[in-house]
Amino acid sequence: DAKTTQPNSMESNEEEPVHLPCNHSTISGTDYIHWYRQLPSQGPEYVIHGLTSNVNNRMASLAIAEDRKSSTLILHRATLRDAAVYYCILGVKTSYDKVIFGPGTSLSVIP
Amino acid sequence: EPEVTQTPSHQVTQMGQEVILRCVPISNHLYFYWYRQILGQKVEFLVSFYNNEISEKSEIFDDQFSVERPDGSNFTLKIRSTKLEDSAMYFCASSRGGSPFQPQHFGDGTRLSIL
Repeated sequence: DAKTTQPNSMESNEEEPVHLPCNHSTISGTDYIHWYRQLPSQGPEYVIHGLTSNVNNRMASLAIAEDRKSSTLILHRATLRDAAVYYCILGVKTSYDKVIFGPGTSLSVIP
Repeated sequence: EPEVTQTPSHQVTQMGQEVILRCVPISNHLYFYWYRQILGQKVEFLVSFYNNEISEKSEIFDDQFSVERPDGSNFTLKIRSTKLEDSAMYFCASSRGGSPFQPQHFGDGTRLSIL
């Protein structure tokens, strides 16, 4: 399975931007980059995905490196509700049926 | 916004009993999934289901487990002869398509406690 590497934990101050990094050096040309998050006591929640270009939606922005070996999820203004575990996942064509969750990054937001 | 709903939110069952976990996926979605998360561990894939049959399953999904879509709206996970180690959160998910760029939408899970 294609592998991603994320920091175990990060902290952010409320109302500050947060940049969550992800390395995926073995990514192949057809692999999509997905981000999910899991708030405490809830199921995983889709955040954003992209292939090559940077992407924006109402929740976040996704910045993808030119060589696609890394990406960054950007939360523009962290709120307390953004405290969650964030998962960077590759949508691999050979395993399109399942989302393979790693340990993710546990984001703490400090008031 | 449409969402995946799961019932019950918490199920307590004696070891050895059968349990059925229920899910109502988003109505226009075609792919359905079950995942589980043991307390303090990562989310693990169990099974995917499309066109009324299993399309992929993990090593965890052995003969003890089965899935069914009994009607046009429900998707169920049955666990026969439950064991203590089956205690976990079970999440149902659905997606419009099965390709790598289709996001999955998850329910809030059923907490299964085996006594």
